[in-house]
Amino acid sequence: EVQLVESGGGVVQPGGSLRLSCAASGFNSDDYAMHWVRQTPGKGLEWVSLISGDDGSTYYADSVKGRFTISRDNSKNSLYLQMNSLTTEDTALYYCVKDYDGGGSLRFDSWGQGTLVTVSS
Amino acid sequence: EIVLTQSPATLSLSPGERATLSCRASQSVSSYLAWYQQKPGQAPRLLIYDASNRATGIPARFSGSGSGTDFTLTISSLEPEDFAVYYCQERNSWPRGTFGQGTKVEVK
Repeated sequence: EVQLVESGGGVVQPGGSLRLSCAASGFNSDDYAMHWVRQTPGKGLEWVSLISGDDGSTYYADSVKGRFTISRDNSKNSLYLQMNSLTTEDTALYYCVKDYDGGGSLRFDSWGQGTLVTVSS
Repeated sequence: EIVLTQSPATLSLSPGERATLSCRASQSVSSYLAWYQQKPGQAPRLLIYDASNRATGIPARFSGSGSGTDFTLTISSLEPEDFAVYYCQERNSWPRGTFGQGTKVEVK
């Protein structure tokens, strides 16, 4: 059974940094593309970032480009999101999401339960 | 940027009734449209991918149709566990996967 468990969320001041982690089990995460998707009551669901399972290529939403970095450690079956220069607009529940295939089909077939990030002074 | 507009915002129905949810794209997304179900306190769950294909383990009462800009999710006979929020999502504008704003199916 696929399991995705996020951690690392919390309260951070504007301009601060946070690193989210996602522990994957039940599948070989290096065979699949992985994503971060966030959700807020106001903006709804928003795709944030993708890392390819095929070649490790990374992609970002315009709203986070240059501030967030997605990475993975296949030896630990883990996914990460380094978030810098945080603003209040980044306050959201962040989900770790498994893709259907290695290249990144954007078919989001398994989701973690999410970790809450609150940016506030 | 593709915008997905879901209607209605809220659908009030009774168990056993048929639910018809709409998702309209601001430009063609071919058949690259998915539907997700989200219950309170839970993550979204993939129901339908590529407009009309049920994901693994999804009951046959859920069906999807459409192509281009107009899509429909139909729940043929609502079960108590089907009352939830439903989102559509396109993957035509790769790598971005834009979501609609959701339709809440509530008990009448």
